[in-house]
Amino acid sequence: GNSVTQMEGPVTLSEEAFLTINCTYTATGYPSLFWYVQYPGEGLQLLLKATKADDKGSNKGFEATYRKETTSFHLEKGSVQVSDSAVYFCALEGNQGGKLIFGQGTELSVKP
Amino acid sequence: SAVISQKPSRDICQRGTSLTIQCQVDSQVTMMFWYRQQPGQSLTLIATANQGSEATYESGFVIDKFPISRPNLTFSTLTVSNMSPEDSSIYLCSVEVSVNTEAFFGQGTRLTVV
Repeated sequence: GNSVTQMEGPVTLSEEAFLTINCTYTATGYPSLFWYVQYPGEGLQLLLKATKADDKGSNKGFEATYRKETTSFHLEKGSVQVSDSAVYFCALEGNQGGKLIFGQGTELSVKP
Repeated sequence: SAVISQKPSRDICQRGTSLTIQCQVDSQVTMMFWYRQQPGQSLTLIATANQGSEATYESGFVIDKFPISRPNLTFSTLTVSNMSPEDSSIYLCSVEVSVNTEAFFGQGTRLTVV
């Protein structure tokens, strides 16, 4: 069945460092891919998405490219801020609309 | 977009009791879902709440333990029945306004069973 694997956390970075959080998936067909973020004390929010191969999703300085050849959707940001401290979830939506399969989440802590 | 109000936001319950969680959306939505996030774990889909019919449960979840109602296009409830400490989790309501659109999540209900 479909699954998502994320790099384990926690990840601790200094402000302005480069961020990569790896995400790979297993799926039949052509899933849509998402990154969700959960800030401390808040609900889950969509950060970015990509719906087909080679699409690049971007938002708030974060980017991720849908790579079908490597079944990956790695999250990157060139310069992180303290306010980016949160838990990040990679997810896919298969051909059963609306049902999301999540990775295990990666906690990011950015220090000043 | 959709604004979701989930109640209660948190609760501490005695084992053997039941808790009903409410999810209210500010607009009519096509799809409503319930997820569970166990401590330190990712989110797992419990079921799809179907308007006017029985919910569709994922493997490992059953109606007797997690009865779900969805009387209309803006409201759903999830009951966690006969609770045990293993049910301590965050329970989240999620909606899609229409097919193949963004999923929105409620703030979650943090349940502790003692």
